[in-house]
Amino acid sequence: DTAVSQTPKYLVTQMGNDKSIKCEQNLGHDTMYWYKQDSKKFLKIMFSYNNKELIINETVPNRFSPKSPDKAHLNLHINSLELGDSAVYFCASSNRDAGELFFGEGSRLTVL
Amino acid sequence: AQSVTQPDIHITVSEGASLELRCNYSYGATPYLFWYVQSPGQGLQLLLKYFSGDTLVQGIKGFEAEFKRSQSSFNLRKPSVHWSDAAEYFCAVGAQAAGNKLTFGGGTRVLVKP
Repeated sequence: DTAVSQTPKYLVTQMGNDKSIKCEQNLGHDTMYWYKQDSKKFLKIMFSYNNKELIINETVPNRFSPKSPDKAHLNLHINSLELGDSAVYFCASSNRDAGELFFGEGSRLTVL
Repeated sequence: AQSVTQPDIHITVSEGASLELRCNYSYGATPYLFWYVQSPGQGLQLLLKYFSGDTLVQGIKGFEAEFKRSQSSFNLRKPSVHWSDAAEYFCAVGAQAAGNKLTFGGGTRVLVKP
């Protein structure tokens, strides 16, 4: 049973397109996150939701819009994709009081 | 604001040798500290964590780390490295007050020579 699952695992698309990445966790956690890992492996938080409420929104272009339909799901929609959006996007979850994050396997986005 | 520095970008060790990865953090209060490992093409797996108490923490795969408040460090160690330990290692700092946001260091890539 996968604890944090993301789809798709690979995504290749053209500049200007709109795409979504989905994330689901079956750990019963109340907080979910999106992290971006660039080509140099640097990991940076983008968003965090606690019980469907946005609690962290780092400096991310508003072309990125997270949506949390329930506390087990956090999707990431990206409009008007740019070359610089190419990266691996990781979803993670935790209980807010616990500290430890559980990560999905990542979604590699390539923008051509 | 919290930050993490991993001074070593790459480390090469021989199989069977000991390994130490350095991590320095900056945070105003008592931090939560973590080490994660990422194998190629994989997600991040937690090796160990420090919240409070004993400053020497044991983790999975034979790893341990020591929290030194005076040095703002949380170095990771393994006495004898196996070829399967070749991976990218990330130190992270977090705090409940920060919405449980984890801030990661830039990572250290470990290469293991036979």
